Amino acid sequence: ILNVEQSPQSLHVQEGDSTNFTCSFPSSNFYALHWYRWETAKSPEALFVMTLNGDEKKKGRISATLNTKEGYSYLYIKGSQPEDSATYLCAFKGNFNKFYFGSGTKLNVKP
Amino acid sequence: KAGVTQTPRYLIKTRGQQVTLSCSPISGHRSVSWYQQTPGQGLQFLFEYFSETQRNKGNFPGRFSGRQFSNSRSEMNVSTLELGDSALYLCASSPYGQGNEKLFFGSGTQLSVL
Repeated sequence: ILNVEQSPQSLHVQEGDSTNFTCSFPSSNFYALHWYRWETAKSPEALFVMTLNGDEKKKGRISATLNTKEGYSYLYIKGSQPEDSATYLCAFKGNFNKFYFGSGTKLNVKP
Repeated sequence: KAGVTQTPRYLIKTRGQQVTLSCSPISGHRSVSWYQQTPGQGLQFLFEYFSETQRNKGNFPGRFSGRQFSNSRSEMNVSTLELGDSALYLCASSPYGQGNEKLFFGSGTQLSVL
């Protein structure tokens, strides 16, 4: 059984704070790492797809980095806003065509 | 483009019954995958279909089955329901099911087994 772990499980920050969370995954047989944002009562929505060691992606105030050799990815949110409140999921895909999702980090941004 | 559509949105069943869930992918997407979400757990992969063939399967009992039609619509069936099958079932589509393609998720079917 393959383990994808996310930390922390939950996070409460004030509006304007910057924050980051971690996704750990196996460092072997890597193919891709995805990040999704899942807002309450909505569907998970893709943020980033990363495939290369050292990849850095950015979308507005949100960015992500990837280290496949040590098996981790960081998601950063700069200047958190209440609308960033959601669960952030990472998903690892190895060379065997299945996605393994972490349990998610639930972010709550207080105005 | 219309998004991924899942029906029904909610289902209540009793133990021992069977249930069929439906997923219509984004037009042109040929890969459909299914996931189970239970409280405290991450999304657990059930299976993936591509061009009407099951390409991959997760670690679920044989009571969980699926199929895909020629128009890429997919159905998931759970027979002999157990209380532990109560969960949110999500499907996701992508063009070819490659790891570098982002997944497009439906809104899910919330199944309650009484």
